[in-house]
Amino acid sequence: AQKITQTQPGMFVQEKEAVTLDCTYDTSDQSYGLFWYKQPSSGEMIFLIYQGSYDEQNATEGRYSLNFQKARKSANLVISASQLGDSAMYFCAMREVSSNTGKLIFGQGTTLQVKP
Amino acid sequence: DTAVSQTPKYLVTQMGNDKSIKCEQNLGHDTMYWYKQDSKKFLKIMFSYNNKELIINETVPNRFSPKSPDKAHLNLHINSLELGDSAVYFCASSRSLSQETQYFGPGTRLLVL
Repeated sequence: AQKITQTQPGMFVQEKEAVTLDCTYDTSDQSYGLFWYKQPSSGEMIFLIYQGSYDEQNATEGRYSLNFQKARKSANLVISASQLGDSAMYFCAMREVSSNTGKLIFGQGTTLQVKP
Repeated sequence: DTAVSQTPKYLVTQMGNDKSIKCEQNLGHDTMYWYKQDSKKFLKIMFSYNNKELIINETVPNRFSPKSPDKAHLNLHINSLELGDSAVYFCASSRSLSQETQYFGPGTRLLVL
């Protein structure tokens, strides 16, 4: 069963607008972490933001925020004031603490294109 | 200074050859990983190591042998390369196995001909 689902293979957004990238997850663990990574066309994986399952506040990092809805098992990434440099592939990932392996489970990714 | 570095960045080789990819992190982390990204961009863990000890081998063929000479290094040796091994291989590290952020290296693009 897919543990991390990103239903949007591709998204477009106008420069300076906000965009939401969807991510839903499936776990029976009570303790887990949710991560978003950015992969530009150059190929590196850049960590953006983290949300712990017990964190009551939504995580924010600059223009990135994570809309965490625990009951719905969703962890959407919101990018405000999009910039051309935000064009990239974005991956949602989860770590289940009970596995104690450090393993990150990734979604399929969403390609974001920012239009000038 | 690069936090997690990998060499080489590109690797083109013939089927049947043996090759190694090196990974080093200067973050003082205890835990290191290898991930494989296939042609559809799907990322999957291969191995995790904690304090030089293997924690998981995620159904990887035994042609793949990771080696951790110390906590700062996790190398990946691949024997008898096959066409299906063509992928991007990422090394990553984290402070520990728990809820810590993993930082990725730049990736090694392996093409098996």
